[in-house]
Amino acid sequence: GENVGLHLPTLSVQEGDNSIINCAYSNSASDYFIWYKQESGKGPQFIIDIRSNMDKRQGQRVTVLLNKTVKHLSLQIAATQPGDSAVYFCAESTGGGSNYKLTFGKGTLLTVNP
Amino acid sequence: GAGVSQTPSNKVTEKGKYVELRCDPISGHTALYWYRQSLGQGPEFLIYFQGTGAADDSGLPNDRFFAVRPEGSVSTLKIQRTERGDSAVYLCASSLMPGGIYTDTQYFGPGTRLTVL
Repeated sequence: GENVGLHLPTLSVQEGDNSIINCAYSNSASDYFIWYKQESGKGPQFIIDIRSNMDKRQGQRVTVLLNKTVKHLSLQIAATQPGDSAVYFCAESTGGGSNYKLTFGKGTLLTVNP
Repeated sequence: GAGVSQTPSNKVTEKGKYVELRCDPISGHTALYWYRQSLGQGPEFLIYFQGTGAADDSGLPNDRFFAVRPEGSVSTLKIQRTERGDSAVYLCASSLMPGGIYTDTQYFGPGTRLTVL
């Protein structure tokens, strides 16, 4: 049978375009969110984080938007480059002393075409 | 500076054997985490150390899995009587401060790919 676990959501963009990667989280009690980038054969690499008391945070070429009403998180990458090609994971954690336990989403495969 | 390192990078073993996976966290990081990542999935939490003690081992799948961090730095994940379903990438992460009111960024190592034949 088909292994649906291998079928990641995918996004294909042209070099120089902006990319938007979306994530729906499940726990309304989550108050800390992180985006990680994972290249093939490597561990996840921290990109940017946001706390639940914010709805937008910007980094270098990246912006994270948080919509708590619909439990939605997005990562925007400006002027996407071939080196941005990777799997992107959103992760969430809850407060109350449990911020160490990250719950990861399934991941989105971003492919940047030169 | 040096990041989180993990050894070996690849481990192939036979069903029923015992394996040890090692993690060297970033120097000075007091918190250490183990995750497991199956093909096509995101990492799943296994265990968290604050210093030498396991503060939360709720993610360990069963009693064949055990982890130690005797001196509060290097950690070893131990798997007894390995099964084919244990095949995955085992990731280690560390953070400067323990989790709590102020979450600190978890930095991941490259992982150990475990294959159980």
